[in-house]
Amino acid sequence: KAGVTQTPRYLIKTRGQQVTLSCSPISGHRSVSWYQQTPGQGLQFLFEYFSETQRNKGNFPGRFSGRQFSNSRSEMNVSTLELGDSALYLCASSSWGSTGGYEQYFGPGTRLTVT
Amino acid sequence: GQSLEQPSEVTAVEGAIVQINCTYQTSGFYGLSWYQQHDGGAPTFLSYNALDGLEETGRFSSFLSRSDSYGYLLLQELQMKDSASYFCAVYNTNAGKSTFGDGTTLTVKP
Repeated sequence: KAGVTQTPRYLIKTRGQQVTLSCSPISGHRSVSWYQQTPGQGLQFLFEYFSETQRNKGNFPGRFSGRQFSNSRSEMNVSTLELGDSALYLCASSSWGSTGGYEQYFGPGTRLTVT
Repeated sequence: GQSLEQPSEVTAVEGAIVQINCTYQTSGFYGLSWYQQHDGGAPTFLSYNALDGLEETGRFSSFLSRSDSYGYLLLQELQMKDSASYFCAVYNTNAGKSTFGDGTTLTVKP
C-alpha cells in the first residue's frame, strides 16, 4: 500500500496570506488527523476528520480549518498567516492495527515558513 | 486535561541499552504508543501497549503500568541509526484522539 502523501513539501508565505495543505491517507483509511510540530511545542493536535466529518478539534484559533473529501483526502487551510504559524504540518491516517491499538501513519509533512 | 512527561534528552553509547520513560495523566486512557522520528522525517509507529507488561519487538521493547500511569521504551544493542526523537502518545477514548509527549532526543555515540 502506498503511504500517506502530503503536498506541498515546502512552502514559503508572507504574513497575512492564506495557505492550503493537502493530505492523501493510506488507501482504506477513513480517519485523517492533522498536527503542528514546532521545536518548542512538540506535536500539537489540530483536528481529525472521519468520513468527511470533523470529529475532534484541538486548541487552535479559527484561522485553522480543514475538510475531508469523499475519497478521504483532506485539506487544511490557514488564513491570515502569522509568523508563529511557521512549523511542520503533519498529516496522519489512522487505523486500529494488529496490535489492537490506535496506530497512526504519518506523511512526510509540509514545512511552512511564514516571513 | 491530558499531559505526558518524558525526558528531553538521553545519550548512550553504541551497543548499550537505554530506557526512555513516559508518565501520563489522562482520563479515558486506552493505550500508550511510541513513535520514532528521525531529523527531517515523519514520526513512525513503533509499539503499542494497552495492557500492563512488556511488549517486545526485536531490539525494542515497550512497557506499561496502568496503575502507575507510566510506561517506558527500552532500546537494546543501540546502533547509530537509533539516534532520533522518540515520542510517547496516549489515546483517549473520551476525547477520541491521541496526545503526544514533547519527545526525547536520543543521541547514540560511538
